[in-house]
Amino acid sequence: DIQMTQSPSSLSASVGDRVTITCRASQDIYNYVAWIQQKPGKAPKSLIYAASGLQDGVSSNFRGSGSGTDFTLTISSLQPEDFATYYCQQYRDYPLTFGGGTKVEI
Amino acid sequence: EVQLVESGGGLVQPGGSLRLSCATSGFSFGDYAMHWVRQVPGKGLEWVAGIGWNSVSIDYSESVKGRFAISRDNAKNSLYLQMNSLRPEDAAVYFCSKGGSYSFYAPFEYWGQGTLVTVSS
Repeated sequence: DIQMTQSPSSLSASVGDRVTITCRASQDIYNYVAWIQQKPGKAPKSLIYAASGLQDGVSSNFRGSGSGTDFTLTISSLQPEDFATYYCQQYRDYPLTFGGGTKVEI
Repeated sequence: EVQLVESGGGLVQPGGSLRLSCATSGFSFGDYAMHWVRQVPGKGLEWVAGIGWNSVSIDYSESVKGRFAISRDNAKNSLYLQMNSLRPEDAAVYFCSKGGSYSFYAPFEYWGQGTLVTVSS
């Protein structure tokens, strides 16, 4: 199975901060990476596909980058509605796997 | 507007069975792969099962293989998960998710609100 290792597991930030979350895959997954946001008690929301593509309706404040084994999600200027948990996920091979999550707190 | 609405969750005893359903609307259901993903409250996301647009491609996580069965009815725009021989560790919120294309190798695009499965005697 492809392991996805996210860091950090949590971070504290303020509105307006630039936030970077990293994800490392245990093998080359090209650009088959997605980033998913989840707020407490809510359904997940897909943000990024193919490492850097923005899902429809997602703020351009979110940017994904990377290829191969190393990937990054950047929130350019943290907004109040961005406080949530973020997951990376690979779809290069089955079983599909997720990173452990990064909780972004105030 | 894409909508995914799960149902069928509830309390079941260990060893019991449950069938989850996901009713969809707002897109051409038969053109997309679909998945079930679960989450133990307070924990991370775990992919459970996926099915291709024409039901030819199907796969499961090792933890549910042989006990769960994913299926779809394209005429009814619905996805199902038959869960047998349930264990306490299967207790979770189960989300239905729409794939980004017909391909089995596509990202999740939309998610339902989830249905809670509790396995306890």
